[in-house]
Amino acid sequence: GENVEQHPSTLSVQEGDSAVIKCTYSDSASNYFPWYKQELGKRPQLIIDIRSNVGEKKDQRIAVTLNKTAKHFSLHITETQPEDSAVYFCAASGNTDKLIFGTGTRLQVFP
Amino acid sequence: EAQVTQNPRYLITVTGKKLTVTCSQNMNHEYMSWYRQDPGLGLRQIYYSMNVEVTDKGDVPEGYKVSRKEKRNFPLILESPSPNQTSLYFCASKQNRGLNQPQHFGDGTRLSIL
Repeated sequence: GENVEQHPSTLSVQEGDSAVIKCTYSDSASNYFPWYKQELGKRPQLIIDIRSNVGEKKDQRIAVTLNKTAKHFSLHITETQPEDSAVYFCAASGNTDKLIFGTGTRLQVFP
Repeated sequence: EAQVTQNPRYLITVTGKKLTVTCSQNMNHEYMSWYRQDPGLGLRQIYYSMNVEVTDKGDVPEGYKVSRKEKRNFPLILESPSPNQTSLYFCASKQNRGLNQPQHFGDGTRLSIL
C-alpha cells in the first residue's frame, strides 16, 4: 500500500547550523508534498508544500526539494534557531486526496 | 477567523461509554478528515468526507463512526470505546477535492479510555 518513510526520527543541531529531513514515498501517482511543523501540545501547521511540477521551493530559511524519479523529497532548514525545535512531518498525496504522513522527525536546536 | 474547532480538548472516560468528538469548520471546505496521532506512528487517517453525506474509510476506521449531515460539521463517534483508542485526535479540512490544497488542522482532542 501507500507508504511514506521519514528519516531521521530525531535530529539535534547547533543553533545556526542547517538541518535536513528526508522522506521517500511509494506511490508514483503522488503529486503533492506538504511539510507540517508540530510544536509540543499544538496542532500540525503547514510550513511549506511542493507540487510535482516543481523541483524546488524556498521560503526564507526553509526549502523543499523533490526528486520524482527517485521518489524522495527533503526539507532543508538553514540558520536554525531554537524556535525551530519541533516535530516535523512530511506527507504525500495523489489524485485520491488521501494524505499519507511520515512518522515524524523531532528536531532539537541547541543554543 | 478561519479555523477548525474541536470539542472537547481533553476527555477521560471508561471502556464502553459512547462518546462523540465534534469538529466544525468555518471555511466552507468540502473535504474534512479525522486523524489519530500515536507516538512513533505519525498521523493516521480514520475517516474522511469529500462533501455532505459522502464519507469513506481511511487507514484505521475500526471502532469509529462519522457523519456529515452539514458541510461545516464532521463528528467522530466512538460507540463502544476501548483502551486502544486512547490517542490524540485531529480533525482537518481543506478546500476543493482534487486540487491538492493544504489541510488545516484543529487543536486536537486528547482521549484517554480507562
